[in-house]
Amino acid sequence: EPEVTQTPSHQVTQMGQEVILRCVPISNHLYFYWYRQILGQKVEFLVSFYNNEISEKSEIFDDQFSVERPDGSNFTLKIRSTKLEDSAMYFCASTTTLRYGYTFGSGTRLTVV
Amino acid sequence: AQSVTQPDIHITVSEGASLELRCNYSYGATPYLFWYVQSPGQGLQLLLKYFSGDTLVQGIKGFEAEFKRSQSSFNLRKPSVHWSDAAEYFCASGFGNEKLTFGTGTRLTIIP
Repeated sequence: EPEVTQTPSHQVTQMGQEVILRCVPISNHLYFYWYRQILGQKVEFLVSFYNNEISEKSEIFDDQFSVERPDGSNFTLKIRSTKLEDSAMYFCASTTTLRYGYTFGSGTRLTVV
Repeated sequence: AQSVTQPDIHITVSEGASLELRCNYSYGATPYLFWYVQSPGQGLQLLLKYFSGDTLVQGIKGFEAEFKRSQSSFNLRKPSVHWSDAAEYFCASGFGNEKLTFGTGTRLTIIP
């Protein structure tokens, strides 16, 4: 069964550093998403991406965040200057259409120290 | 604003017993509805989905859910739980190709 692949599985970074989280969505999917889950809390929407542009973003997704789909296969989330409160599990997801549900990756655990 | 409510934060059931996890949504119309399961340290796996038609939907791992429009509910059920069902369960909903809105989750503990 096709999978969404995320790398790395765990990243530790110092506060103020830039991080790039990588995702390879399922190849025929058209819609791409990033979500995050702070430990013990609910899954929160960050951003959706369609047709090479952001289609929706949440209040969390401020100027420190950006997304790219540089080569037609990878989908990246960049945090320019990490804060302690950015520590969370970040999930990438993709779908052909929402009625079928998203396929989520296994996540990247980001720890900011 | 769209919202999904899972009123039970933590449920404990005995292995072999039946299970029902509650989910209520708040929308102007019927959204797409989903249940996801998350094992510790793992990603989110889709258990089942509803978008139209038969209000009782079957999913993987022996789970089913029933959509009740009159109650704005989409409760997850399993007739007999196994120790491997211990996990966090999330109800979610959305429209069109917009974002999913998740509930706060229900942690399921299975006792022997």
